[in-house]
Amino acid sequence: NAGVTQTPKFQVLKTGQSMTLQCAQDMNHNSMYWYRQDPGMGLRLIYYSASEGTTDKGEVPNGYNVSRLNKREFSLRLESAAPSQTSVYFCASSVVQDQPQHFGDGTRLSIL
Amino acid sequence: GENVEQHPSTLSVQEGDSAVIKCTYSDSASNYFPWYKQELGKRPQLIIDIRSNVGEKKDQRIAVTLNKTAKHFSLHITETQPEDSAVYFCAAREAGGTSYGKLTFGQGTILTVHP
Repeated sequence: NAGVTQTPKFQVLKTGQSMTLQCAQDMNHNSMYWYRQDPGMGLRLIYYSASEGTTDKGEVPNGYNVSRLNKREFSLRLESAAPSQTSVYFCASSVVQDQPQHFGDGTRLSIL
Repeated sequence: GENVEQHPSTLSVQEGDSAVIKCTYSDSASNYFPWYKQELGKRPQLIIDIRSNVGEKKDQRIAVTLNKTAKHFSLHITETQPEDSAVYFCAAREAGGTSYGKLTFGQGTILTVHP
C-alpha cells in the first residue's frame, strides 16, 4: 500500500520551460490537493479537487494548472516556469474534504 | 479567508521537558484543527487533530487543546525525546461556502530537543 506517490522527486528546469508533476493515490480517496512549501511560509494550497471531475483554486493558483485525470490521479502543470516557482511541492489526499489529509513525499523543483 | 498564526517559530527544550506550541485562527466558522509533524526532508505527517465540538484531545504524550471563544489552539508534548525534534505545523479548516474543506497552515515551529 503506497499511499500517495509523487513523481518526479527532484527536477531542475530553466525559466520558461513547462513541466507536469504527477500524483497518484491508492487509498480510494475522493479529495486531492496540491501544496507548495517555501521556507518560513508553511504549506500553501495551490489547487484542490474535492471529487473526481471538479477542481478549484486555492491560495496561490497563479502560474499553475491542474487536471484530475481520474479518481486516483491529480497532476499539476507549470506552463512557463519562473524562478519564483522554485519550491517543494506536496500532493495530498483525503477520503472526503472534512477528513484528514495524507501527504506524498514531495517534489523538489528548482527553476534557474 | 482563514488566517493562521503560529508561535513560537523556534523552540528549544531539554529532553524530558514539556513543549507547547500555540496557534490562533481568524475564521470563527473553522471547525477542524490538525497538527502535522515534518522531519527534515520528509512528508508532513498527521500526529493529532481536534474538531470544534471538543475542547481537548490526548494521545499518549501529545495533547491538543482548543479555545473556540478565543480562537486559539495549542499542541502540548510532554516528556520530550530527541526524536520529537522536527517542524510542527498547525492548520485550520474552513467550514463554509466555497472554501469548504480547505486547510490553511501556520508558518511552522522548529522544535529541537537536546539530549
